[in-house]
Amino acid sequence: KAGVTQTPRYLIKTRGQQVTLSCSPISGHRSVSWYQQTPGQGLQFLFEYFSETQRNKGNFPGRFSGRQFSNSRSEMNVSTLELGDSALYLCASSRGQGANTEAFFGQGTRLTVV
Amino acid sequence: GDSVTQMEGPVTLSEEAFLTINCTYTATGYPSLFWYVQYPGEGLQLLLKATKADDKGSNKGFEATYRKETTSFHLEKGSVQVSDSAVYFCALSDPNTNAGKSTFGDGTTLTVKP
Repeated sequence: KAGVTQTPRYLIKTRGQQVTLSCSPISGHRSVSWYQQTPGQGLQFLFEYFSETQRNKGNFPGRFSGRQFSNSRSEMNVSTLELGDSALYLCASSRGQGANTEAFFGQGTRLTVV
Repeated sequence: GDSVTQMEGPVTLSEEAFLTINCTYTATGYPSLFWYVQYPGEGLQLLLKATKADDKGSNKGFEATYRKETTSFHLEKGSVQVSDSAVYFCALSDPNTNAGKSTFGDGTTLTVKP
């Protein structure tokens, strides 16, 4: 069974640009969550989608957005990049309901803003 | 809201030493509890889980027991190996109150020396 796939693995962008990250969940998983990981702030929850609907959102500015497609694949977009957006962005998939709510993580996308 | 507090690191141990990483939580509902491990340059991997009070999760020699009375889920291993060096995250999710969102502790870095 294939795991969670995130693309690209590494990305370098210039301040002010925008970026789109992609996540393909484990087959059969309908929930996709996004997290930002930085040395100073740890793992911060961005948002979660279930069956194409955003169910939860963290405390991030509106520059951070996401969406989920009918095949459960998800994208997140960051507009007007700032230096502080440099981080490892992790995607996690789960069944999203019932007792088995453990999240399975991808390897992440390392975003560097210069 | 939900929160997870982990013992601060870093933790440095000699091979074959006993490991304890403390984790306590605050949740409004009845969450499931997890330990994840992150190796350098990788995403998070689920190490073990417990879904109800008094459950014991175990995997690869690691154990943790869901203690509702003390709201704790401490991670233990009787004899650590160099290969256990990684960052360990305690996490909770509550499908009844906050479906799809996992709340993580700040992580504890473990270094095991030969």
